Amino acid sequence: SYELTQPPSVSVSPGQTARITCSGDALPKQYAYWYQQKPGQAPVLVIYKDSERPSGIPERFSGSSSGTTVTLTISGVQAEDEADYYCQSADSSGGRVFGGGTKLTVL
Amino acid sequence: EVQLVESGGGLVQPGGSLRLSCAASGFTVSSNYMSWVRQAPGKGLEWVSVIYSGGSTYYADSVKGRFTISRDNSKNTLYLQMNSLRAEDTAVYYCARDGVVVGVAEYFQHWGQGTLVTVSS
Repeated sequence: SYELTQPPSVSVSPGQTARITCSGDALPKQYAYWYQQKPGQAPVLVIYKDSERPSGIPERFSGSSSGTTVTLTISGVQAEDEADYYCQSADSSGGRVFGGGTKLTVL
Repeated sequence: EVQLVESGGGLVQPGGSLRLSCAASGFTVSSNYMSWVRQAPGKGLEWVSVIYSGGSTYYADSVKGRFTISRDNSKNTLYLQMNSLRAEDTAVYYCARDGVVVGVAEYFQHWGQGTLVTVSS
């Protein structure tokens, strides 16, 4: 198994752009996925296969990949986007790995 | 509409056992890859186990040999049998319908609301 590293927190003002990074040695070979989790709720998939957006997820959510780092970008952040965000990838032995999570604060 | 409803959580003593259930609707459990994911209080997410549509199972090292994932096709329900429970198994347990990429269960497409398991004397 390997590790995915995220910053513990990111802060942004409403209307600005938030970028949350996730680093891992296997990311050039494995897809990354992103989940949003609000307090007391189950996680919700917001990005799959590095940059694809599930139906129902606002267009302001986007994903990108470069080498060992993937990035979740939220453009025009809204107060409702305040949440914990987790990146996730698959490992080579059939399991899944999560990053430690990033708390997004909307100032 | 896909729905997943977990049940079976509760308070159990260290060394005890518990079986979690996840009733699915809107799709067929046996035709999908299904996982359990847990989250300790105030902590991050941890993948626990997966069962493939063909029946293959995989476990996180932290639960291997103690937990067993299974399903009942007639009830369209996923289970997690947890034995030899430890304090560090205390968590909210979520069941999830997996997303598949080229035949490999890679991510978690749909989640249940979770059930809390507390291991304490």
